[in-house]
Amino acid sequence: TQLLEQSPQFLSIQEGENLTVYCNSSSVFSSLQWYRQEPGEGPVLLVTVVTGGEVKKLKRLTFQFGDARKDSSLHITAAQPGDTGLYLCAGAGSNYQLIWGAGTKLIIKP
Amino acid sequence: ETGVTQSPTHLIKTRGQQVTLRCSSQSGHNTVSWYQQALGQGPQFIFQYYREEENGRGNFPPRFSGLQFPNYSSELNVNALELDDSALYLCASSLGNSGANVLTFGAGSRLTVL
Repeated sequence: TQLLEQSPQFLSIQEGENLTVYCNSSSVFSSLQWYRQEPGEGPVLLVTVVTGGEVKKLKRLTFQFGDARKDSSLHITAAQPGDTGLYLCAGAGSNYQLIWGAGTKLIIKP
Repeated sequence: ETGVTQSPTHLIKTRGQQVTLRCSSQSGHNTVSWYQQALGQGPQFIFQYYREEENGRGNFPPRFSGLQFPNYSSELNVNALELDDSALYLCASSLGNSGANVLTFGAGSRLTVL
């Protein structure tokens, strides 16, 4: 069974601080997606990483896919209150399904 | 292009009742996936429909069933509702049925079972 573990489960920090969220598995994924979900909304795709070792930047967000394509990280620089939300990673597994992590609930305090 | 729309947005049912949730996929998308999301948790895959046929199913009992129509819209039906069925039900559409495809989610239907 393919599993994705996200850590931390919950993170509350002050505006301006940096943070990293991790997504780990013992399984290899052909690609991995990161989503952000705000209360009352569905998840919205932030980025897809495909190649082992790939790094993608989206303004203050940096996404990295592990060399072995088993893990990924999301780093946010100078966090802002607008970054508050539930961050979800999802890996493309061996069948048609996406394997989802349980999410990291992020709160940025002004 | 229109996004994914779900209805109803909120509903309350009692244990043992049946519910039907509806989803209109994004224009041009032919695949619909349904997810159950408990509060503060990640989505749990229920099933996927591709070209009107079930194309994959998660660990949910048979009382969770679905349909996809020729226009690619979809329904999720849940019979004999249980208290634990209370959750946000998300519909996501995509072009193609590969797990690597990008999903476009609707805002969800919040079901409360009393």
